[in-house]
Amino acid sequence: EPEVTQTPSHQVTQMGQEVILRCVPISNHLYFYWYRQILGQKVEFLVSFYNNEISEKSEIFDDQFSVERPDGSNFTLKIRSTKLEDSAMYFCASSLPDRGFYEQYFGPGTRLTVT
Amino acid sequence: QKEVEQDPGPLSVPEGAIVSLNCTYSNSAFQYFMWYRQYSRKGPELLMYTYSSGNKEDGRFTAQVDKSSKYISLFIRDSQPSDSATYLCAILNGGATNKLIFGTGTLLAVQP
Repeated sequence: EPEVTQTPSHQVTQMGQEVILRCVPISNHLYFYWYRQILGQKVEFLVSFYNNEISEKSEIFDDQFSVERPDGSNFTLKIRSTKLEDSAMYFCASSLPDRGFYEQYFGPGTRLTVT
Repeated sequence: QKEVEQDPGPLSVPEGAIVSLNCTYSNSAFQYFMWYRQYSRKGPELLMYTYSSGNKEDGRFTAQVDKSSKYISLFIRDSQPSDSATYLCAILNGGATNKLIFGTGTLLAVQP
């Protein structure tokens, strides 16, 4: 069964460093998303992406964040200058256009630890 | 008022019990209601979704939406130890937005 994959599974970085989290969405999906979950808190929407542009973003997704689809299979989230409060699980998700947005399939997540 | 509220539990039941998990929401414009299951240190896994009011059944799982009281439920029949996980309700406004709004999740433990 096709699934969303994410790398790395765990990333440790120092405050102020740039990180890139990588995702390979399900191959025929066209909508891509990033969510995050701070330990003990809700899963929160960050951004959605379609047709090579951001379709929606939350107030969390400020200028420190960016997303890119560098090729036909990868979808990345970049955090330019990490802060301690960026420590969280980051989940990538994808969905088909004809399923609306209610069938979003999530990857296993990348645990980001900022020290 | 929070958009989605969910009792965090934990909820512990014996194997074979019927489990009821619930969420309330504040915005009557919400149209799609999803349930996800999340095992420890894994990503959310979509169990089922419901559009508008009514019931939807899938095997041992039944999702129920009552839009008049802004209440959604997930029932698990004949619960198994493998059902032990965190259950997340999620809501989609519909229309132009594509962001899911999640509840905090309810931690369920099914004791053998």
